[in-house]
Amino acid sequence: EVQLVESGGDLVQPGGSLRLSCAASGFNLSSYWMSWVRQAPGKGLEWVANIKQAESEKYYVDSVKGRFTISRDNAKNSLYLQMNSLRAEDTAVYYCARRPLRFLNFDYWGLGTLVTVSS
Amino acid sequence: QSALTQPASVSGSPGQSITISCTGTSNDIGGYNYVSWYQQHPGKAPKLMIYDVSDRPSGVSNRFSGSKSGNTASLTISGLQAEDEADYYCSSYTSISTWVFGGGTKLTVL
Repeated sequence: EVQLVESGGDLVQPGGSLRLSCAASGFNLSSYWMSWVRQAPGKGLEWVANIKQAESEKYYVDSVKGRFTISRDNAKNSLYLQMNSLRAEDTAVYYCARRPLRFLNFDYWGLGTLVTVSS
Repeated sequence: QSALTQPASVSGSPGQSITISCTGTSNDIGGYNYVSWYQQHPGKAPKLMIYDVSDRPSGVSNRFSGSKSGNTASLTISGLQAEDEADYYCSSYTSISTWVFGGGTKLTVL
């Protein structure tokens, strides 16, 4: 059974940093593109970043470029999101999501981890 | 990277059909057949309902269907059931190798 479990969410002050993790099981992480998608409280979904299987390609939404870094460790079946220079508007539930092979959508999602940026 | 445009809310009675629209641009919906739709119940993770404009993943009811015309995609739910009450989000791949979501539509089953 495919499972994605996010962790690392916390309350952090503006300007601070946080590293999110996503543990994958039930499939071979190294074969898939992976993404982070976030949802601010009471708001809609926003795609944040994605990463190719061997990290050769990474893409980001404009609002996080230069502040967030997506990475992965296929040997540990884990996906990461390093978030620096955090702002209040980064407050959201962060989901990791799998992009299925040969398709451009997200077929499995985790339950998310909450990041709150506030002083 | 502007969000796709969806109506904030739609409603329908059990057994009826409803359609949710999703409008983008030629750089996303209009340029690719990579529109997908997600259902999200409160406090839950999104669930893929439609991909590649009109295809359904295994296990998704055939009451859910999708279509596209120009820069606008649509999700139709026929034979509305109480459990269909949820938020629905459209999404599209874009010309700059990113994804964009709609603002979400709250479906109320009366």
